[in-house]
Amino acid sequence: EDKVVQSPLSLVVHEGDTVTLNCSYEVTNFRSLLWYKQEKKAPTFLFMLTSSGIEKKSGRLSSILDKKELFSILNITATQTGDSAIYLCAVVQGAQKLVFGQGTRLTINP
Amino acid sequence: SAVISQKPSRDICQRGTSLTIQCQVDSQVTMMFWYRQQPGQSLTLIATANQGSEATYESGFVIDKFPISRPNLTFSTLTVSNMSPEDSSIYLCSVGFGAGSYEQYFGPGTRLTVT
Repeated sequence: EDKVVQSPLSLVVHEGDTVTLNCSYEVTNFRSLLWYKQEKKAPTFLFMLTSSGIEKKSGRLSSILDKKELFSILNITATQTGDSAIYLCAVVQGAQKLVFGQGTRLTINP
Repeated sequence: SAVISQKPSRDICQRGTSLTIQCQVDSQVTMMFWYRQQPGQSLTLIATANQGSEATYESGFVIDKFPISRPNLTFSTLTVSNMSPEDSSIYLCSVGFGAGSYEQYFGPGTRLTVT
């Protein structure tokens, strides 16, 4: 059975801390791995990772994929209260079907 | 990316009725999808909306319950039929551009409550 597992499911940190979110997967016909941030209803796109070992960066966020060990991490440095959200990992399978993990609920306290 | 709108943004419906959700994109897209997010859960793909042909449904979802239309490359509808409280969810459309691009972008979602 195809599955995407995220950890931790919930994380509470103080503003300024650095966090690492994990995503492991066992999915047939892997195409790519996507990270999203969900604050209200709509997930907003963060990163697409297709090749191993190539770090993607956007400001304080960065992500990397390991296709041998079947996992990805999302790092957020110098966290801010606006980073509080659910972070979703999704694997693109076959003809663009997305298989989502359960999400990590991140809370940043001032 | 693309600008995606959904209507309605939320609705409260009585059991046994049907609701049609619209998804409009500001540019032509190859792929359109419909997802459901039940309370406290992650997103689950309902179906791929195919332009000019019948939608492709995932296991556990059927056309009689979730009929989908896609008359052109910028618009799709999802109908939730004969609703029950278990259909209370957020329904989201997403779009992809194909041709080796795997990114998908989501609409703002429709929050449905069935009483």
